[in-house]
Amino acid sequence: DAKTTQPPSMDCAEGRAANLPCNHSTISGNEYVYWYRQIHSQGPQYIIHGLKNNETNEMASLIITEDRKSSTLILPHATLRDTAVYYCIAPPGNYGGSQGNLIFGKGTKLSVKP
Amino acid sequence: DTAVSQTPKYLVTQMGNDKSIKCEQNLGHDTMYWYKQDSKKFLKIMFSYNNKELIINETVPNRFSPKSPDKAHLNLHINSLELGDSAVYFCASSHLSSRGQVNTEAFFGQGTRLTVV
Repeated sequence: DAKTTQPPSMDCAEGRAANLPCNHSTISGNEYVYWYRQIHSQGPQYIIHGLKNNETNEMASLIITEDRKSSTLILPHATLRDTAVYYCIAPPGNYGGSQGNLIFGKGTKLSVKP
Repeated sequence: DTAVSQTPKYLVTQMGNDKSIKCEQNLGHDTMYWYKQDSKKFLKIMFSYNNKELIINETVPNRFSPKSPDKAHLNLHINSLELGDSAVYFCASSHLSSRGQVNTEAFFGQGTRLTVV
């Protein structure tokens, strides 16, 4: 799977947009980018995923660069409940021994402050 | 209605015991997983399983064995528990496409906190 790199921590003011970057320079053409988050003591929660085009859902937006080497997760109006560790993941795209496995890195610890 | 449910939520047991953690999903997914999250909060995949094959992370001791009575269940059996097995264990499920790519989100259970004393 493509290695992803994220900053270890970020702060964001409540009500402001939180922009979480992720580098995945080794991503291959058929590997999606997934974002998950883990709120303290809970199981990881899916946020969004994309391949080439930007994506938006009720939780967030995902901006993927044209060369697909990096992406940014945007929480448009962060709330205190968005405080969590956010994981950017690019699982293997080809059918094989580890197909579909989500390999979690260290993620970015986002702290939303009042 | 909980999508992925694990029982028990907490498990305290002595070294050397054998224990099981149950996991059930009601999403109709074809693939289930077990993850371990240690005290440093790293999430590591242990197993993935669908009706075709079991994929084992080679670092997982053979004291750990998943058992799937049917597509909706993947239970985790642990023999001869050790202190280092203390962690939070998460079950998850997803649907694999025909190309083996996870193209829908994975749902995780709320975790089972295992403490070995």
